[in-house]
Formats: sequence, structure tokens, C-alpha cells
Amino acid sequence: GESVGLHLPTLSVQEGDNSIINCAYSNSASDYFIWYKQESGKGPQFIIDIRSNMDKRQGQRVTVLLNKTVKHLSLQIAATQPGDSAVYFCAEILYNQGGKLIFGQGTELSVKP
Amino acid sequence: SAVISQKPSRDICQRGTSLTIQCQVDSQVTMMFWYRQQPGQSLTLIATANQGSEATYESGFVIDKFPISRPNLTFSTLTVSNMSPEDSSIYLCSARPGETQYFGPGTRLLVL
Repeated sequence: GESVGLHLPTLSVQEGDNSIINCAYSNSASDYFIWYKQESGKGPQFIIDIRSNMDKRQGQRVTVLLNKTVKHLSLQIAATQPGDSAVYFCAEILYNQGGKLIFGQGTELSVKP
Repeated sequence: SAVISQKPSRDICQRGTSLTIQCQVDSQVTMMFWYRQQPGQSLTLIATANQGSEATYESGFVIDKFPISRPNLTFSTLTVSNMSPEDSSIYLCSARPGETQYFGPGTRLLVL
């Protein structure tokens, strides 16, 4: 069945460095992807999204890259700060299954001061 | 965007009892969803609750265990029925006002 998964469950980076979080998806018909940030004790917070007709989208300090050929997503965080410490999820909307949003495994990002 | 609130924020319940979780959205939305998140894990979709239709449940979730109401475009409830310790989890409400989907803060449930 369809699934969205992450390569690395944990990532530790030094403050100020760039972070890259990866995600693989299996549904080639997926049209829309979202990255979420979840801090401890809170619900997932929208970070950035990308449609399948794009290969890159930039936000404030974040960039999402989409490679449809290998069905791979990445989230890049520039100049990582302690406040970026959280679990990051990629998620995929399955329009061929009623438009439900399916989450990947999640990566815990830890920023060392 | 959408601002979503949930009540209660947490609860401790005895096995065999039921708990109803309320979800309020600050704008009218057709599509609402309920998710479960076990500690240290990802989110799993329980059901889709669109206003005006019966809730659609995912594999492994049934209406008798997780009845859902959707009385209007800004409100939904999820009931966790006949609870057991395995139901201890975080339950999250979600809404999609446009294409982007937003989440509430979650309800942390502990069943003893």
C-alpha cells in the first residue's frame, strides 16, 4: 500500500549549521506534500508545502525539494537554531483515496548549542 | 489558515468508560479529520468527518469504538468507547479549510 517514510529517525546538528531531513514516498500519483513540525506536547504545525508540478519551494529559512523521479522529498533548514528542535514529519495527500493526509515516520531534530 | 481547539487537553480515565473529545474550528470547513498518535510515533488517521455525510473510517478503526459527530461546519466530536489501556494515546483533530491541513493541540488520554 501507499506509504510515506523517512530515512533517518534522529538528526543531531550544531547550532548555526544547515539541517537536511529526508522523506521517501511510494504513491506516484501523489500531488501535494506538506512538512510539519511538532514540538513536545503540541500538535503538528504547518511549515511548508509543495505541489508535484514543482521541484523546489522556499520559505523563511526552509526549503523543500521534490524529486518525483525517485519519489523523494527533503526539508532543508538553514542556520538551524535551538528553537528548531522538534520532530519533523512529511505528509502526503492521497487525492485518489478521498484526499486523506498520510504521515511519514518522523525525524527528531536535536540542535546542540 | 485555521485555529483549532480541543477539549479536554488531557484526561485520565478508568477502563470500560467512554470519553468524548470536542474539536472547534475558528472557520467553516467541510473536511475534518481525527488522528491518533501513540507516544514517540507518527500520526495515524482514524477517520474523515465531512459535514453532511457519515464519517469514513480507516482500516482498524470502527464506528462502534470511535463514534464521530459532525453537527456543523465548525465542530466535531470523537468518542473513545469502552476504553482499555491500549487506547492511551494522543488524539488530534484536524481541518482542511483550503488545501493545507491544520491540527489542534491534541487530547492526551491515559486509561488505567
